[in-house]
Amino acid sequence: EDQVTQSPEALRLQEGESSSLNCSYTVSGLRGLFWYRQDPGKGPEFLFTLYSAGEEKEKERLKATLTKKESFLHITAPKPEDSATYLCAVQGNTGGFKTIFGAGTRLFVKA
Amino acid sequence: DVKVTQSSRYLVKRTGEKVFLECVQDMDHENMFWYRQDPGLGLRLIYFSYDVKMKEKGDIPEGYSVSREKKERFSLILESASTNQTSMYLCASSRGAGFQDEQFFGPGTRLTVL
Repeated sequence: EDQVTQSPEALRLQEGESSSLNCSYTVSGLRGLFWYRQDPGKGPEFLFTLYSAGEEKEKERLKATLTKKESFLHITAPKPEDSATYLCAVQGNTGGFKTIFGAGTRLFVKA
Repeated sequence: DVKVTQSSRYLVKRTGEKVFLECVQDMDHENMFWYRQDPGLGLRLIYFSYDVKMKEKGDIPEGYSVSREKKERFSLILESASTNQTSMYLCASSRGAGFQDEQFFGPGTRLTVL
């Protein structure tokens, strides 16, 4: 069964304090791993898609990496506006268009 | 930019009522999805549709049904609302067959069943 586990559940950082969020997954044939950002009271907003181990993508202070078992979302020198819940999701070969989401990591960045 | 809109941001209904949640996307996407989001459980797929009049059950379809009469519109129906259906409901769309691509989400409907 496809599964996604994110850690930690919550992360509190000082502004400028770099860190990483973890997404561990098991899937029958990875078609894509997705990262989303969700602000309180809003729908998730797409950040990245990673397709194969070794792939990396960057956007401003965020960098996503992928191995065969996990993905990391690295946040470099975060700012308070980076505070949000970050969701990881996977799509496998056996689920059609089904995407399995993790429970998310809530990030708080204090000025 | 893709825009996904949902008919209501907040909704309060009584147990036993029939509830309609509507979702519209404006980018000619093939796929549409309904999720519910609960604290600690993440997003759980209720139903999805990959074409007009086509639908597939997700992980938690019990107590729900869907309708997709037009490509741009996907409706979620709670036949007889119950208190355990109090949740945030999110609609999403994606391009379609052959694409392992991202989903675009609406703002969500926070449903409370009393």
